Amino acid sequence: IAGITQAPTSQILAAGRRMTLRCTQDMRHNAMYWYRQDLGLGLRLIHYSNTAGTTGKGEVPDGYSVSRANTDDFPLTLASAVPSQTSVYFCASSDAGEGGEQFFGPGTRLTVL
Amino acid sequence: GQNIDQPTEMTATEGAIVQINCTYQTSGFNGLFWYQQHAGEAPTFLSYNVLDGLEEKGRFSSFLSRSKGYSYLLLKELQMKDSASYLCAVRDGDYKLSFGAGTTVTVRA
Repeated sequence: IAGITQAPTSQILAAGRRMTLRCTQDMRHNAMYWYRQDLGLGLRLIHYSNTAGTTGKGEVPDGYSVSRANTDDFPLTLASAVPSQTSVYFCASSDAGEGGEQFFGPGTRLTVL
Repeated sequence: GQNIDQPTEMTATEGAIVQINCTYQTSGFNGLFWYQQHAGEAPTFLSYNVLDGLEEKGRFSSFLSRSKGYSYLLLKELQMKDSASYLCAVRDGDYKLSFGAGTTVTVRA
């Protein structure tokens, strides 16, 4: 049972480069989310998708884009990375509706130099 | 939007009880969650409250007062493995979560 997987585990990236963080879930959850976690700021929502084919902006969407072509995959792309995007990125998924706690992937630690 | 406040740090002794408070101001409310996060790991779900009152799950309990915008997580019979960050999160009407900055609990022997 995999749950949610993320790749890569960690990455060091030069500023200006393009980077896609991958997220795959096998729980057939409708909703998926991308967060960044920075010291002292907690988890902040970047983008979300309530169902395949739809996406929405969270609290901190600038500089990031997402797509949701199918139920299982929800990649996050940084078109041109900047040092302020250095963070730990978590992908999560949940069933829509009551209860519906979010399950988190193991995270990707990204450093932009 | 959501404004969620919780203490930054708490320290307690093994076997003791610790209560982590969370206050929130929300433009929409559809439930409150508590997550546990060990250093370097992903958050894991602990509890969910949508109605006022106490939810008990083993050594952990969570309380909600919607009228006061207040919740607490109670950890009983503390163990060393309970040393972690505890995240309070409020869900809005669109099923999106807003998280507090987290409370780091240190359990001392």
